[in-house]
Amino acid sequence: GAVVSQHPSRVICKSGTSVKIECRSLDFQATTMFWYRQFPKQSLMLMATSNEGSKATYEQGVEKDKFLINHASLTLSTLTVTSAHPEDSSFYICSAPPAGGGYEQYFGPGTRLTVT
Amino acid sequence: QKEVEQDPGPLSVPEGAIVSLNCTYSNSAFQYFMWYRQYSRKGPELLMYTYSSGNKEDGRFTAQVDKSSKYISLFIRDSQPSDSATYLCAIGNTGGFKTIFGAGTRLFVKA
Repeated sequence: GAVVSQHPSRVICKSGTSVKIECRSLDFQATTMFWYRQFPKQSLMLMATSNEGSKATYEQGVEKDKFLINHASLTLSTLTVTSAHPEDSSFYICSAPPAGGGYEQYFGPGTRLTVT
Repeated sequence: QKEVEQDPGPLSVPEGAIVSLNCTYSNSAFQYFMWYRQYSRKGPELLMYTYSSGNKEDGRFTAQVDKSSKYISLFIRDSQPSDSATYLCAIGNTGGFKTIFGAGTRLFVKA
């Protein structure tokens, strides 16, 4: 099956700094990637849809200036959490549908962000 | 009303029990019905999917969809401690767009 990787798997940063999380499709091209946020014991909350070569589409209530998304190539999307605060501490997961369309999504392993 | 409703549990069962996990959904336009399994601190992985109504069986797992009542089920037979995870139901269309996830049910299978 298709593989999606994320880097880093875990990051700790100080309040006020920015953190970049990378999402890569390793063996397929992904024109679209999704970014989710998951708090402990809660479900996936879609933050934004990342589109290669164009602006991301953000879900209602998600600050686009705080969560910067760049989809610079068909295999890489990045999420930058700017001016991080402790309440941004969460599990961030990306996913991508298979090339050519399909019903499922391939998920990355997630990135645990802790803001101190 | 949420588009997909799922009881978050937790659900605790003894090893060998039959587990029934359920979801309801409200939008009849979706065609694909999926179950993802997520182990702690990992990304979800697709467990099973069904297209339209009907049953699908894969080993100890059976997925059912009743579109008339907008009801999705996952049955696990002979449950094992390794089945302990969070199970998320999801509805979607081709292209993976607008896949909508349930809250996830945390399952614990005790040895």
